[in-house]
Amino acid sequence: DQQVKQNSPSLSVQEGRISILNCDYTNSMFDYFLWYKKYPAEGPTFLISISSIKDKNEDGRFTVFLNKSAKHLSLHIVPSQPGDSAVYFCAASGTGGFKTIFGAGTRLFVKA
Amino acid sequence: DTEVTQTPKHLVMGMTNKKSLKCEQHMGHRAMYWYKQKAKKPPELMFVYSYEKLSINESVPSRFSPECPNSSLLNLHLHALQPEDSALYLCASSPGAGAQETQYFGPGTRLLVL
Repeated sequence: DQQVKQNSPSLSVQEGRISILNCDYTNSMFDYFLWYKKYPAEGPTFLISISSIKDKNEDGRFTVFLNKSAKHLSLHIVPSQPGDSAVYFCAASGTGGFKTIFGAGTRLFVKA
Repeated sequence: DTEVTQTPKHLVMGMTNKKSLKCEQHMGHRAMYWYKQKAKKPPELMFVYSYEKLSINESVPSRFSPECPNSSLLNLHLHALQPEDSALYLCASSPGAGAQETQYFGPGTRLLVL
């Protein structure tokens, strides 16, 4: 049973446009959420995170939105650049000994 | 030094072989992790070491044996593996082992068991 789900295996976006990657979770005990980015032949690298006490966190071109009632978060990339083409993993964790659970990833293609 | 290194990058082994995967970090992190990732699946946690002590073992078969010789090194000893153990093995580290720690990942070792 996947507790963190990324239902879109891939997403294609034109350069300069907005990329929106979605993530749903089922465990209401999760209170910390992260996005990681992975290029081929490299390990995942941390991108941005959000605590459950917030509904938005912004870092440059990257913004993460959290909707706790819907158990949904999204990553917005504006404007998208070809170098953003990678696999994006959503991850969730919680206090009380919860390990970090990863989604299956969404492959983003940004076309020039 | 802000990276996690893993060796080897690729490994092919038979079911009767014994091999080891190595992971190293020099960021002073006190928690280190092993994950297994199959194609098109999320990374799945195998083991967590916190302050060089095994703190989480996710019911991993005994043919996988972790070892943390010191705070910078993490090994995964492999013995009598099965073909279904073929996967990408990722090592990660974090400053502490709390729930809100950012993990820093190595590039992984791609393992093929014949």
